[in-house]
Amino acid sequence: AQSVAQPEDQVNVAEGNPLTVKCTYSVSGNPYLFWYVQYPNRGLQFLLKYITGDNLVKGSYGFEAEFNKSQTSFHLKKPSALVSDSALYFCALGGSGAGSYQLTFGKGTKLSVIP
Amino acid sequence: EAQVTQNPRYLITVTGKKLTVTCSQNMNHEYMSWYRQDPGLGLRQIYYSMNVEVTDKGDVPEGYKVSRKEKRNFPLILESPSPNQTSLYFCASSSTPGELFFGEGSRLTVL
Repeated sequence: AQSVAQPEDQVNVAEGNPLTVKCTYSVSGNPYLFWYVQYPNRGLQFLLKYITGDNLVKGSYGFEAEFNKSQTSFHLKKPSALVSDSALYFCALGGSGAGSYQLTFGKGTKLSVIP
Repeated sequence: EAQVTQNPRYLITVTGKKLTVTCSQNMNHEYMSWYRQDPGLGLRQIYYSMNVEVTDKGDVPEGYKVSRKEKRNFPLILESPSPNQTSLYFCASSSTPGELFFGEGSRLTVL
């Protein structure tokens, strides 16, 4: 069975500092990985995905994520955090096969950017 | 504007009173899905649909029904709601694997 874990329930970072939100995964085949963001009282929004190719993936709002196969990780990063980045972030793992719509979500990490 | 619309956004009901949460998308997506979000548990899939008249169970289907008679609509039905179904519900649709468009959510309280 596949699984995805977000080891930190909450991450606090000062505005202007780099941020990292961690995600690890377990899957028997090739991983298809996604990040979503949920702002307060809103639905989730797609940020970025890794399917294959370059290990550094760029997405919306200046976010990027680094895929590391040996560490089975897909950490979300941003060079300089904004207060408006404060939100709940979800890592997700795609189902078997690149054509699968099914996602397994992590439990989420609350990011607080402190002014 | 591309969107997934859920109604109602907020609902307080009592145990056993049947309710339906509607979901409609205007993007002609074939795939639609329902999730519930609970603190500490993340998002869990209830049901999904790959196309009209094709539905399947997700991880937590007990106590829920769905139907997909039209491509744009995917209602979630709680025939006899119970307090453990108090949750935040999200509908989503997609035309690209893994890239979901989510609705704004429906917060349901069952007393």
